[in-house]
Amino acid sequence: KAGVTQTPRYLIKTRGQQVTLSCSPISGHRSVSWYQQTPGQGLQFLFEYFSETQRNKGNFPGRFSGRQFSNSRSEMNVSTLELGDSALYLCASSLGQPSGDTQYFGPGTRLTVL
Amino acid sequence: QQPVQSPQAVILREGEDAVINCSSSKALYSVHWYRQKHGEAPVFLMILLKGGEQKGHEKISASFNEKKQQSSLYLTASQLSYSGTYFCGTESNDYKLSFGAGTTVTVRA
Repeated sequence: KAGVTQTPRYLIKTRGQQVTLSCSPISGHRSVSWYQQTPGQGLQFLFEYFSETQRNKGNFPGRFSGRQFSNSRSEMNVSTLELGDSALYLCASSLGQPSGDTQYFGPGTRLTVL
Repeated sequence: QQPVQSPQAVILREGEDAVINCSSSKALYSVHWYRQKHGEAPVFLMILLKGGEQKGHEKISASFNEKKQQSSLYLTASQLSYSGTYFCGTESNDYKLSFGAGTTVTVRA
């Protein structure tokens, strides 16, 4: 099976711009979770989508949003970029079981905000 | 709330053993362990479900004490390939995975 794919792998943006990141899950997986990884904060949960609905949400401002399509592919959008948004954004896919669900991570998108 | 991992870093020689601990202040349904090498995605190692079971992955095993809300990852007879940052992810009644800050393991020849 092909793994989780994320595009683009690298992005450079300037403050105030917006960005959209894409994640294609493993075939058959219906849940996609997004995480922000920074050296100081580690892996921080952004949100989870299951069957096109946001099922869970972390503690991030409304500038961070996402959506999921009927084929389970997901996009994450960050508006009005700030310098502190520079990070590795990882998505993880899973079957979507309510608990004990194994997540498989994609390679990430490295976002740099100048 | 993030689980607390200890130690933050450990340096080993090939063949040595190490233990990484993960503790949470919340009642846990499951604990997930991942390893991430520099510049790569975290790779799933194992999941431990409520019930105190122990699992293994080659010479890496883990235990889960649900009463203490703690899990430990055991690296036995470490190999160079074990180098990386190990993260525990804990799942409680909010069904979200919360990750610890990670433990960096360096295995030297």
